[in-house]
Amino acid sequence: EPEVTQTPSHQVTQMGQEVILRCVPISNHLYFYWYRQILGQKVEFLVSFYNNEISEKSEIFDDQFSVERPDGSNFTLKIRSTKLEDSAMYFCASSGDPGGGYTFGSGTRLTVV
Amino acid sequence: RKEVEQDPGPFNVPEGATVAFNCTYSNSASQSFFWYRQDCRKEPKLLMSVYSSGNEDGRFTAQLNRASQYISLLIRDSKLSDSATYLCVVKEAGAGSYQLTFGKGTKLSVIP
Repeated sequence: EPEVTQTPSHQVTQMGQEVILRCVPISNHLYFYWYRQILGQKVEFLVSFYNNEISEKSEIFDDQFSVERPDGSNFTLKIRSTKLEDSAMYFCASSGDPGGGYTFGSGTRLTVV
Repeated sequence: RKEVEQDPGPFNVPEGATVAFNCTYSNSASQSFFWYRQDCRKEPKLLMSVYSSGNEDGRFTAQLNRASQYISLLIRDSKLSDSATYLCVVKEAGAGSYQLTFGKGTKLSVIP
């Protein structure tokens, strides 16, 4: 079964540092997403991406965040200057069409210290 | 503010029991409805879509009542492997794309 892969599985960073979380969506999918889940909280939408541009972003996705599809396979989330409250599980997802189901990656656990 | 509300549980049931989860959503324009399952510290995995006519997948039955903005999931003959958090998820059309809105989840523990 096709998978969405994410690296690293766990990232520890110091407050104020930049981090890049990486995702390889399913190869024939065109719609990409980042979600996050703070420990004990609900999964929250961050951003959607289609045709090499952001389709929509949530209030959480402020100027500290950016996304990029640097080549034909990777989809990255960059946090420019991490804060303690950015500690969470970050999930990448992709879908073949906007109305269909999403496949989530196994997530990157980001810990900001 | 778009919300999806679920009873957080936990639901502790013996093997073989039938258990039902409920969910309500606030956005009447929501397009699609799903139940996801999430194991501890893992990603959400799609369990089943939910349709107005009701749908069944083995031991799992999902129902949608659009008028009441209410979604349910019934699990029959619970197995130990059903222990997980069950997430009620609603897909909504935003300004530029669709996005999923998640409930906080209902935790199920199936006990031997």
